[in-house]
Amino acid sequence: DGGITQSPKYLFRKEGQNVTLSCEQNLNHDAMYWYRQDPGQGLRLIYYSQIVNDFQKGDIAEGYSVSREKKESFPLTVTSAQKNPTAFYLCASSIGGRVTGELFFGEGSRLTVL
Amino acid sequence: AQSVTQLDSHVSVSEGTPVLLRCNYSSSYSPSLFWYVQHPNKGLQLLLKYTSAATLVKGINGFEAEFKKSETSFHLTKPSAHMSDAAEYFCVVLYSSASKIIFGSGTRLSIRP
Repeated sequence: DGGITQSPKYLFRKEGQNVTLSCEQNLNHDAMYWYRQDPGQGLRLIYYSQIVNDFQKGDIAEGYSVSREKKESFPLTVTSAQKNPTAFYLCASSIGGRVTGELFFGEGSRLTVL
Repeated sequence: AQSVTQLDSHVSVSEGTPVLLRCNYSSSYSPSLFWYVQHPNKGLQLLLKYTSAATLVKGINGFEAEFKKSETSFHLTKPSAHMSDAAEYFCVVLYSSASKIIFGSGTRLSIRP
């Protein structure tokens, strides 16, 4: 079955450590996105990529980095510069290279900083 | 400014009664509008979408939404709630001219037995 796989599902990190969240899709979608979700808030866009080897900052990119070396993969690194990294992170994809509102989501990764 | 407002952070209804989740958006020439559902600790799933065709949109699991341009609203309804409908619901607007997707803050739907 086609879909988006995020790993790990749960992750604990000590302050000052970088951590990388994996996102892989086999839907053959061109665009991929990373969102952050905090309790009582909507999703906020961290980064998005419309094509391989290209990506753009979203609304809250500070303290995060991404790469898009393959169409199927869009990993997110949460760096030590991110001041409040504890959150639920969601990866999504969409058909074609344009930004559309029809998104397919993974099941998320919950990061907790100890 | 581009914005989406979900008017209720929490809605509680009894099983078998109607559901109404409200959403208003800031005006745009031709918005595309969506509703997503999220069950606890899961990703979001598309319920339905409006993209300038019929103003009454039918989605999965018996949900519907009506686009009202004059009121800049896109409320989600269901005639009869089921226990499995308990989840968080997000109203989402795509502002095509800016290639921007805006999420509402979500409405948590609880179903009483």
